[in-house]
Amino acid sequence: DIVMTQFPDSLAVSLGERATINCKSSQSVLFRSNNKNYLAWYQQKPGQPPKLLIYWASTRESGVPDRFSGAGSGTDFTLTISSLQAEDVAVYYCQQYYSTLLTFGGGTKVEIK
Amino acid sequence: QVQLQESGPGLVKPSQTLSLTCTVSGGSISSGSYYWSWIRQSAGKGLEWIGRVYASGTTNYNPSLKSRVTMSVDTSKNQFSLNLSSVTAADTAVYFCARGKYYYESSGYYLLWFDPWGQGTLVIVSS
Repeated sequence: DIVMTQFPDSLAVSLGERATINCKSSQSVLFRSNNKNYLAWYQQKPGQPPKLLIYWASTRESGVPDRFSGAGSGTDFTLTISSLQAEDVAVYYCQQYYSTLLTFGGGTKVEIK
Repeated sequence: QVQLQESGPGLVKPSQTLSLTCTVSGGSISSGSYYWSWIRQSAGKGLEWIGRVYASGTTNYNPSLKSRVTMSVDTSKNQFSLNLSSVTAADTAVYFCARGKYYYESSGYYLLWFDPWGQGTLVIVSS
């Protein structure tokens, strides 16, 4: 299995400030033949299902605000919210799709300081 | 746009079989490069992928659950289903159905992300 580890478990950020979430995979999720990282990010608000934010590690899903950005390659990835808004309070998950056994990170809870 | 909705009992007794159905609306379960998955979320184990079924009926399961899981698809009803046998309290979770995307190359099939997800249904295993 590819184990996905997220850190921190939670973070509190002031409105308008930057939030950075880390995700590390136990093995590379970079597919050499197409140079793509097989990693997605999701946002889950209370009582709702996860919502796709980013795929290919850095491609924003249609309709996702541009304050959300993804970066990284190989085994180390970040999700950044450049200017935290109240509606961004949620738990964020990374997920690898490199392996046919799809796995998720444990989640990072983002709150307002 | 495609929407998914889970249905099934919210309470299952230990040792019995958990059965859920996901109804797909706004699009055909048979069209496009998609597979259909079940994912569960519990406090103890976070998000756990259970398995997937293709419109053809081909299935793949998480090895950790493979001995207890059966998934099927009914294209005439635009539904797919999950059966999880011999449940214990550890199977208590919110169960989501989700659509997954894939692409095909000469080297094989490659899985992609999940979108959209159903709202989820809480299943409690208790006597």
